[in-house]
Amino acid sequence: EVHLVESGEGLIQPGGSLRLACAASGFSFSNYDMNWVRQAPGRGLEWVSYISNSGKTIYYADSVKGRFTISRENAKNSLFLQMNSLRDEDTAVYYCARANGWYGPFDYWGQGTLVTVSS
Amino acid sequence: EIVMTQSPGTLSVSPGERATLSCRASQSISNNLAWYQQKPGQAPRLLIYDASTRATGVPARFSGSGSGTEFTLTISRLQSEDFAVYYCQQSNNWPPWTFGQGTKVEIK
Repeated sequence: EVHLVESGEGLIQPGGSLRLACAASGFSFSNYDMNWVRQAPGRGLEWVSYISNSGKTIYYADSVKGRFTISRENAKNSLFLQMNSLRDEDTAVYYCARANGWYGPFDYWGQGTLVTVSS
Repeated sequence: EIVMTQSPGTLSVSPGERATLSCRASQSISNNLAWYQQKPGQAPRLLIYDASTRATGVPARFSGSGSGTEFTLTISRLQSEDFAVYYCQQSNNWPPWTFGQGTKVEIK
């Protein structure tokens, strides 16, 4: 059974940094592209970042470009999101999600981890 | 960037009735459209992909249709567990992957 478990929840002051992790199990992690998606309190879903299965191709939403860094360690079935220069508007639940195919959906999601940016 | 627009924002439906949710893309996305269900405090769950294919374990009362720019999610006979927020998402032109703003299905 596919499982994605995020960690790294925290309360951070504006301008601070935080690293999120996503532990994957139940599938061949190195074969799948992965994403981070966030949801601000009471709001909809916003795609944040993508990394290909090899780690060679990476994309970011304009809202986080230059501040966030996505990475993965296939040997440890792990996905990461390094978040720097955090802003109030980065407050959200962050989900890792598996992409299924080039035009495919995000077929499995973690339970999410809450990042709160506040002074 | 492709903008996804869902309507209505809130849909009030009685249990056992049919619910019809709409999603429009700002340009053609072929059939690269997914629907997700999200209940309070939970992660989104994939319901439909490729506009009309049910994901594993999704009940047959959920059906999707459409292509190009107009898409529909139909829940044929609403059950209590179906009251939730539903999002559409395009995966045709990326990045970015974009979601609609959501439709809340509430008990009438």
